[in-house]
Amino acid sequence: DAKTTQPNSMESNEEEPVHLPCNHSTISGTDYIHWYRQLPSQGPEYVIHGLTSNVNNRMASLAIAEDRKSSTLILHRATLRDAAVYYCILRDGLSNYQLIWGAGTKLIIKP
Amino acid sequence: DAGVIQSPRHEVTEMGQEVTLRCKPISGHDYLFWYRQTMMRGLELLIYFNNNVPIDDSGMPEDRFSAKMPNASFSTLKIQPSEPRDSAVYFCASNPIEGNTEAFFGQGTRLTVV
Repeated sequence: DAKTTQPNSMESNEEEPVHLPCNHSTISGTDYIHWYRQLPSQGPEYVIHGLTSNVNNRMASLAIAEDRKSSTLILHRATLRDAAVYYCILRDGLSNYQLIWGAGTKLIIKP
Repeated sequence: DAGVIQSPRHEVTEMGQEVTLRCKPISGHDYLFWYRQTMMRGLELLIYFNNNVPIDDSGMPEDRFSAKMPNASFSTLKIQPSEPRDSAVYFCASNPIEGNTEAFFGQGTRLTVV
């Protein structure tokens, strides 16, 4: 399974944009890039996913590099409720639906 | 839909006792996953089902762990006998079959074996 690399933690100020990076240099052509987050004492929650093109939804934006070896999750205006661990995961669109989890990035929001 | 429902939310048991964790997936979802989360190892996939059939149980730590899905709306994860190292948060998640869509997680069961 292709692996992802994320910083252990990041800090950001409230109401400012946050850019969470993820490296996935061994990504294959059929791998989708998924982002989940886990708030304290909660189950993981889906944020966004994409294959090649940038994606936007009500929660966030996903910017995917042209070579697909990296991606960035963008929270446009962070709030204290966005403090969580953010996981970048590659998921094979052809073989199965397993999610292989890394350590994620702990996002700290400063008021 | 109420989402993925897990019970109990918390379980404290003594070493050697049998523990059964329960999960009700979202109606219509054909995939069901059991995960375990600890500080040391993070989130680990234990087993997953497709249309009630176990597909991959390679993540199940040992024979003390077993999982069943008798019908599309119910699954159990059983640990017998339980050990202190089984203490963790256990999550259930479900996926619809249509394409590469989001997984929906339950709130988890926090298991403490003393």
